[in-house]
Amino acid sequence: KQEVTQIPAALSVPEGENLVLNCSFTDSAIYNLQWFRQDPGKGLTSLLLIQSSQREQTSGRLNASLDKSSGRSTLYIAASQPGDSATYLCAVAPYTGGGNKLTFGTGTQLKVEL
Amino acid sequence: SQTIHQWPATLVQPVGSPLSLECTVEGTSNPNLYWYRQAAGRGLQLLFYSVGIGQISSEVPQNLSASRPQDRQFILSSKKLLLSDSGFYLCAWTYGAGVAYEQYFGPGTRLTVT
Repeated sequence: KQEVTQIPAALSVPEGENLVLNCSFTDSAIYNLQWFRQDPGKGLTSLLLIQSSQREQTSGRLNASLDKSSGRSTLYIAASQPGDSATYLCAVAPYTGGGNKLTFGTGTQLKVEL
Repeated sequence: SQTIHQWPATLVQPVGSPLSLECTVEGTSNPNLYWYRQAAGRGLQLLFYSVGIGQISSEVPQNLSASRPQDRQFILSSKKLLLSDSGFYLCAWTYGAGVAYEQYFGPGTRLTVT
């Protein structure tokens, strides 16, 4: 059974700092990995999707990397801003089986302070 | 562009009462549809998914059921709610066709069972 872990559970940084969020998964047979952002009381916003054949994806100040063999992904946020404060979730889709069923980590709660 | 709707946004129901949550997707056809639950202090748990009208797969034995009466409509139901059914319910969609595409989430329904 796939298990996804995110460390740290919470993180507080000053504005402008670069930061890295970590995601690890136990079964490397994944089709893709997706990073989401969730604001309090809201749904999930997709940030980046990395296919299993890719090493990284970039969108603006965000860069996500994937090392499938070691079961790890990182989300790098450059020049953090207070608006980046949210919970960040990673999720993996299995390589086999239908339905694109995601397994989620429990998230990292990020606070960027002025 | 595609849009996903959920209603109601919030709901307070007594134990033993019925439940019906609705999710609709606009701007696409034959999507895969998903129901997730996010309980306090826990990660997202996949409850049901559907790859087509009338095709429902259950991931977790529980007090809930799902139906897909139309291509872009997904309904989550219960005949008698339990206290443990409280949580934040999220609907999601992705392109079908057997490929693991990005998942997109709705705004969620906050359910409190009293």
